[in-house]
Amino acid sequence: GAVVSQHPSWVICKSGTSVKIECRSLDFQATTMFWYRQFPKQSLMLMATSNEGSKATYEQGVEKDKFLINHASLTLSTLTVTSAHPEDSSFYICSAQGENGYTFGSGTRLTVV
Amino acid sequence: AQSVSQHNHHVILSEAASLELGCNYSYGGTVNLFWYVQYPGQHLQLLLKYFSGDPLVKGIKGFEAEFIKSKFSFNLRKPSVQWSDTAEYFCAVKPSNTGKLIFGQGTTLQVKP
Repeated sequence: GAVVSQHPSWVICKSGTSVKIECRSLDFQATTMFWYRQFPKQSLMLMATSNEGSKATYEQGVEKDKFLINHASLTLSTLTVTSAHPEDSSFYICSAQGENGYTFGSGTRLTVV
Repeated sequence: AQSVSQHNHHVILSEAASLELGCNYSYGGTVNLFWYVQYPGQHLQLLLKYFSGDPLVKGIKGFEAEFIKSKFSFNLRKPSVQWSDTAEYFCAVKPSNTGKLIFGQGTTLQVKP
């Protein structure tokens, strides 16, 4: 079946630094990928829709300059959290849309200290 | 705004008990409906989905859900739960005019052996 690989699974970084999270569709092509943020005991909140070869579409309230998304190929999308602050600490999940629907990555736990 | 509401935040059941998790959505147009499960430490997996046709949908692992259009509901059911069903369950809705998935808050199911 369809598999999405998300790396790293966890990362700790210092305030002010940037962190890049990768999302790869391993055995299918995904023209569209989605990035979610999940707070403890809460739902997945859609941050942005990433389209291959074009600019990402951000949801209301999400800072596009802070959460940089690049979807340079049909199998890879990246999310870069720039100038991270402790309030950016969260669980980030990507999802790739393919022929068989949505496939989710295993998530990245970001802790900013 | 479109939203998805899961009524039960935390459910505790004994093995062999029957399960029903509520899900309601607010959107007036055509929707696709999904239930996902997230086992501890794992990624989201699709349990079942409804696009059209028979409103009673059967999924994996003995789960089923019924779409009641008049009630804007898509409740998840299982006649007899097992300890291995302990997980987080998410209802999601995709309006037909968009590729975005809108998630409910999630329900934590704990099954006692």
